[in-house]
Amino acid sequence: DAGVIQSPRHEVTEMGQEVTLRCKPISGHNSLFWYRQTMMRGLELLIYFNNNVPIDDSGMPEDRFSAKMPNASFSTLKIQPSEPRDSAVYFCASSLRAWGFEKLFFGSGTQLSVL
Amino acid sequence: KNEVEQSPQNLTAQEGEFITINCSYSVGISALHWLQQHPGGGIVSLFMLSSGKKKHGRLIATINIQEKHSSLHITASHPRDSAVYICVAVLGRGGADGLTFGKGTHLIIQP
Repeated sequence: DAGVIQSPRHEVTEMGQEVTLRCKPISGHNSLFWYRQTMMRGLELLIYFNNNVPIDDSGMPEDRFSAKMPNASFSTLKIQPSEPRDSAVYFCASSLRAWGFEKLFFGSGTQLSVL
Repeated sequence: KNEVEQSPQNLTAQEGEFITINCSYSVGISALHWLQQHPGGGIVSLFMLSSGKKKHGRLIATINIQEKHSSLHITASHPRDSAVYICVAVLGRGGADGLTFGKGTHLIIQP
């Protein structure tokens, strides 16, 4: 299996623009997670899906952030409008079953820079 | 709210040394994860444990539920072990409120 695939690897955009990050989980995995990593706050869980349904989005920082999982093999994290403080590395991860008790598999991350 | 403390924050050691990274948390948890983040940024999940000890190659993870403490050990350390190691405490069933991340331990193994 190719593992968790994220795109793009790097994204540079201007403040106010819409940004869409993409993730393809490992085939057969039922849970998908979006994380954000910054120097100040470390790793934070933004949202996780189980069987394509958002289970907990309490980590999403504000309404500018939204995430969807239209099917078992694809998810997006959208920021609209983007702000410089959104600059971070965004990771997607998947696991076979619900998070907490299963090993996680991470994508390579998307380095987002908002100018 | 659970507080997770990792120590040390930074560790530099010589190749071959035995390494211990510690993780302490303040409230009872249901599981704990150890993650490894390579210099290139990629993250690998090393262990998930809720009791006792797990071993994988030169890596050993232990957890003491009563003492609210977990350790990650690396035997015969090698420069390729250089990475940031992050512990993640899982409270209840997890979720954004149920996960607490440590700040990470930056390990450098010198040849």
